[in-house]
Amino acid sequence: GENVEQHPSTLSVQEGDSAVIKCTYSDSASNYFPWYKQELGKRPQLIIDIRSNVGEKKDQRIAVTLNKTAKHFSLHITETQPEDSAVYFCAASIKVTDFGNEKLTFGTGTRLTIIP
Amino acid sequence: NAGVTQTPKFQVLKTGQSMTLQCAQDMNHEYMSWYRQDPGMGLRLIHYSVGAGITDQGEVPNGYNVSRSTTEDFPLRLLSAAPSQTSVYFCASSFWGADTGELFFGEGSRLTVL
Repeated sequence: GENVEQHPSTLSVQEGDSAVIKCTYSDSASNYFPWYKQELGKRPQLIIDIRSNVGEKKDQRIAVTLNKTAKHFSLHITETQPEDSAVYFCAASIKVTDFGNEKLTFGTGTRLTIIP
Repeated sequence: NAGVTQTPKFQVLKTGQSMTLQCAQDMNHEYMSWYRQDPGMGLRLIHYSVGAGITDQGEVPNGYNVSRSTTEDFPLRLLSAAPSQTSVYFCASSFWGADTGELFFGEGSRLTVL
């Protein structure tokens, strides 16, 4: 099955600086890569996703890049703010049947702390 | 819309007891799934369903049963609880599988097995 590795497990950055979280996946058939943010005591929520036919996607201060050859993808947060403090999870999904990508495999998470 | 609703939010069980975690969604999502979240291990898929009457195993299915009799409901049953099943459980749903977009999570159910 798919294996997703995520680094670093913890990350502290000064407010206003950039943060980068990296993930690698094992199955070259994976074709969907979302990122979820989980604030303390809350449910995970999607912040951005990318499909394998795209190399980069941006949404305001957040961007995700994908390198299919190397099988890795990264989350970039620029101009970090205190409200960016949370745990971030990457994930990879492989199409199992005609229905869609049913098996989403998550990384182990990165705890991001923004230092004021 | 209420979104994805899980009950109970907290539960304490003794080893060997059985229980059911309830999950309901009102977004007419075909896809529903159960994950468990443990410190340092991320979210691991237990079981999933792509429609009423259709279920399949995820990464960590042992000790859990599911059924999907309606589009709205996807209960998770613990047959004989073990301390290793102490975890936070999340139910999540989406349209036509994860590739079509966002997984909507419930608020989570914290289970402690003594």
